[in-house]
Amino acid sequence: HVQLVESGGGVVQPGGSLRLSCAASGFTLSDYDIHWVRQAPGKGLEWVAFIRYDGSNKYYADSVKGRFTISRDNSKNTLYLQMNSLRAEDTAVYFCAKRYYVGAFDIWGQGTMVTVSS
Amino acid sequence: QPALTQPASVSGSPGQSITFSCTGTSSDVGGYNYVSWYQQHPGKAPKLMIYDVSSRPSGVSNRFSGSKSGNTASLTISGLQAEDEADYYCISYTSGSTYVFGTGTTVTVL
Repeated sequence: HVQLVESGGGVVQPGGSLRLSCAASGFTLSDYDIHWVRQAPGKGLEWVAFIRYDGSNKYYADSVKGRFTISRDNSKNTLYLQMNSLRAEDTAVYFCAKRYYVGAFDIWGQGTMVTVSS
Repeated sequence: QPALTQPASVSGSPGQSITFSCTGTSSDVGGYNYVSWYQQHPGKAPKLMIYDVSSRPSGVSNRFSGSKSGNTASLTISGLQAEDEADYYCISYTSGSTYVFGTGTTVTVL
């Protein structure tokens, strides 16, 4: 069964850090670009970042550039999103998604909730 | 990168066709044929409905179709059904090698 499973969400204070994981099963993660997308409570989708299949290039939304780092460990079939200097506005459900075509993501995880609050 | 502009809500009766837009700039929607559309039901992950402006993934009903003119992409749902009631988001590749989503459109089946 092809799926992505996110983990690592939780409650963190402003200025704190959190690392999200995205584990793949049923396919080889190293064959695909993977994206992170987030959705604040009651709000729309926001593209966050993506990493090339081989880790050679990484791209970020302006809202997280310099604070978030995307990485992957293809030997573990797992992707990561290191989030530092967290702000209240980073509160959201974070999804990882597999590239199908450019801007087209065919497999999504169930999402993991990140709450930034004191 | 500001979000692409979508109407907040669109409604239609069962069997009708509806079309709604996704407006960007020449740096995103207008500059590339890389617009996709997603359907999202409450509490669920988004589902890919259209990619590359007008292509449908396997398994997606042919009642869904996409198009683009200039800086505006559009999604049409024909033969509207109750299960089409959901939020819909467009996304486009941008000149900065990043991506930007639309503001989202809530479709209501009357």
